[in-house]
Amino acid sequence: AQSVTQPDIHITVSEGASLELRCNYSYGATPYLFWYVQSPGQGLQLLLKYFSGDTLVQGIKGFEAEFKRSQSSFNLRKPSVHWSDAAEYFCAVANSGGSNYKLTFGKGTLLTVNP
Amino acid sequence: DAGVIQSPRHEVTEMGQEVTLRCKPISGHNSLFWYRQTMMRGLELLIYFNNNVPIDDSGMPEDRFSAKMPNASFSTLKIQPSEPRDSAVYFCASSSGLNPYEQYFGPGTRLTVT
Repeated sequence: AQSVTQPDIHITVSEGASLELRCNYSYGATPYLFWYVQSPGQGLQLLLKYFSGDTLVQGIKGFEAEFKRSQSSFNLRKPSVHWSDAAEYFCAVANSGGSNYKLTFGKGTLLTVNP
Repeated sequence: DAGVIQSPRHEVTEMGQEVTLRCKPISGHNSLFWYRQTMMRGLELLIYFNNNVPIDDSGMPEDRFSAKMPNASFSTLKIQPSEPRDSAVYFCASSSGLNPYEQYFGPGTRLTVT
C-alpha cells in the first residue's frame, strides 16, 4: 500500500528565510505527488502537483517542489517565506496506474513564521 | 464561482444521536470525496464517488457510517449512532473528469460528540 511520511511535525522559520518541507513516499512505481496547504479553520488548497516530466514543478504562492526518484522524495521549497505562509502543509500520493483517484496524505507539517 | 459547500460548519451532539453531514460539490465535478481529520490519525479518506457511484469505501470505519450521493450536486455522510470517538473535522472534496486528481476541498464540518 502506498504511504507518505512527513518527518517534521512542526517547523519554525523567520520571515524572509528559505523553507524546505520534507516528504517521502512509499509506492511501487512512480506515483502522482501533491502538496496541499491548510490555513487555520479552512479546507485544503492544492499548491502543486507532479505527474511526469520535469522533476522540478512550480506551484502557486511561489512554492516549488522537486521529485527525486532515487530518494523517494518530493520536498517543498520556497526561497523567501512570508508571514502569510504560516499554515499546515500536507504531502499526498496517488496511484498513477489506474482509475482510482484516491489520495493518501501525510500527517502534515505545521509551519510557524516568526516576524 | 462557488466552491465546495458543506453544512453545517459545526455540529455538537450527544452520544447515540444521528448526525448527517451535507456536501454540495462544485458544479460540473463528477468525483466526490469524504475525508475525516483528527490529530491522532491525520486526514483519512472515508469514501469516494464517481458519477454518483461509490468507488472506494474501504475507509468507512464501521457500519455506523453511511454515505449517499443521490445526484450530482448533493451528498450526505451519516453517522448513526454517533460516539465520542467520531469527533473530528469532516471534509468533502470534489474533482472534475478532466483533472480527477486535483481535489477542491470544502471548509469542513467540525463534529463534537459528547
